[in-house]
Amino acid sequence: EVQLVESGGGLVKPGGSLRLSCTASGFTFSTYSMNWVRQAPGKGLEWVSSLSSSSNYIYYADSVKGRFTMSRDNAKNSLYLQMNSLRGEDTAVYYCARVAPGSGWNEDYWGQGTLVTVSS
Amino acid sequence: QSVLTQTPSASGTPGQRVTISCSGSSSNIGSTYVNWYQQLPRTAPKLLISRNDQRPSGVPDRFSGSKSGTSASLTISGLRSEDEADYYCAAWDDSLSGRVFGGGTRVTVL
Repeated sequence: EVQLVESGGGLVKPGGSLRLSCTASGFTFSTYSMNWVRQAPGKGLEWVSSLSSSSNYIYYADSVKGRFTMSRDNAKNSLYLQMNSLRGEDTAVYYCARVAPGSGWNEDYWGQGTLVTVSS
Repeated sequence: QSVLTQTPSASGTPGQRVTISCSGSSSNIGSTYVNWYQQLPRTAPKLLISRNDQRPSGVPDRFSGSKSGTSASLTISGLRSEDEADYYCAAWDDSLSGRVFGGGTRVTVL
């Protein structure tokens, strides 16, 4: 069974940093590209970042470019999102999601999400 | 303002057919696959339709997807109370080099 478990969320002050983790199981993590998608309270889904299986390709939304860094450790079946210079508008539930092969970066499995709150 | 445009809400009585539309452009829907996701209240999104019209194992056959040009649609045939949820379309955008989501459609079962 595919499982994605996010962790690392919490309350952080504006300008602060936070590192999210996503631990994968139930599939060969090293062969799948991954996405981060977020959802602000009461709002829709917003794509954050995408990373290929070997970390050769990486893409970021303009809203986070230069502040967020997505990475992975295939030996640990783990995905990360380093978030710096956090702003109030970054407050959201952050989901990691697996990309279906050959799907054009479309997700097929999602984690349960971790809440990040940016507030003083 | 989302790159993919969905009507904010749709409703129907049990057993009715409901269609949700998703409008994009040649750089997204017009050039790549569209996925549809269902998000029940207070839960994570779940894949409903992949590659425009493919239903993953376990998804009831009352859900169907289609794509034509720069638009896609999701149809729920035989609406049930448990279908009350938010539905999102999504695709890759070649111009933006990123994923784009529709703003979501809230389906209400009357």
